[in-house]
Amino acid sequence: DTEVTQTPKHLVMGMTNKKSLKCEQHMGHRAMYWYKQKAKKPPELMFVYSYEKLSINESVPSRFSPECPNSSLLNLHLHALQPEDSALYLCASSQEESVNTEAFFGQGTRLTVV
Amino acid sequence: GESVGLHLPTLSVQEGDNSIINCAYSNSASDYFIWYKQESGKGPQFIIDIRSNMDKRQGQRVTVLLNKTVKHLSLQIAATQPGDSAVYFCAENGSARQLTFGSGTQLTVLP
Repeated sequence: DTEVTQTPKHLVMGMTNKKSLKCEQHMGHRAMYWYKQKAKKPPELMFVYSYEKLSINESVPSRFSPECPNSSLLNLHLHALQPEDSALYLCASSQEESVNTEAFFGQGTRLTVV
Repeated sequence: GESVGLHLPTLSVQEGDNSIINCAYSNSASDYFIWYKQESGKGPQFIIDIRSNMDKRQGQRVTVLLNKTVKHLSLQIAATQPGDSAVYFCAENGSARQLTFGSGTQLTVLP
C-alpha cells in the first residue's frame, strides 16, 4: 500500500466554523507533512511531524492546529479561518524526516472558506 | 534566500515528440532532487529522483540530468503522450533538509 489518504476531498466552511482535515498512511513512514497549495503555485510546507512529534512549524498561524494521534494518522484542525486560507491542503509522508527519499502525497483537500 | 525556479512557466509539445523541462536551483548544499507531476485536482506524484553524486538517471520514458556546476536540473520525457499533460515541479532538499518546490511548468501535449 503506497497510498496517502486524505479526507474529505472537498470542504466548505464558514469563518466561525471548526473543522478537521484527516490524513492516513500505512507505509510505516515516520515523517508526515502538511502543505498548502494555492492555485497555480507550488506546495508550501506548513508542518512536519517526525516520530509523532512536531518537528517543524513554518510560522503557520495558530488558527491551523496539527495533531498526530499515532504513526499512521495526521490531522489538521481548522478554526476561525479567513477566505485567503482557501487552498488545496496536501498531506505527505516519507520514511523519515530529512532523509533523501521521496515523499508520497495524498490527493489533497480542496478547502473553501466563505 | 534559496530558491528553486523554472525557466519556462508553460511548454507545449506535439504528441510523440520529446519534452524537456528545466529547473534552476540556488542552494549549493542541496544534494537530493525530485521531479513531481501534478495533474489537475490531484496531489503531486513522484516521477524520478537524483542524488548529487550522479549527473544522470533514467526511468521509464523519463531522464533527469543534474548539472551541479551551474545548479541546473532537467527532466526529459521521451515520446510525450497526452497523459503527460500536467504541471511538473522540481524539488530540492534545501534548508533544514525539507523539500522546497520550484514554481512549476505546465506541460501541454498537442494532438
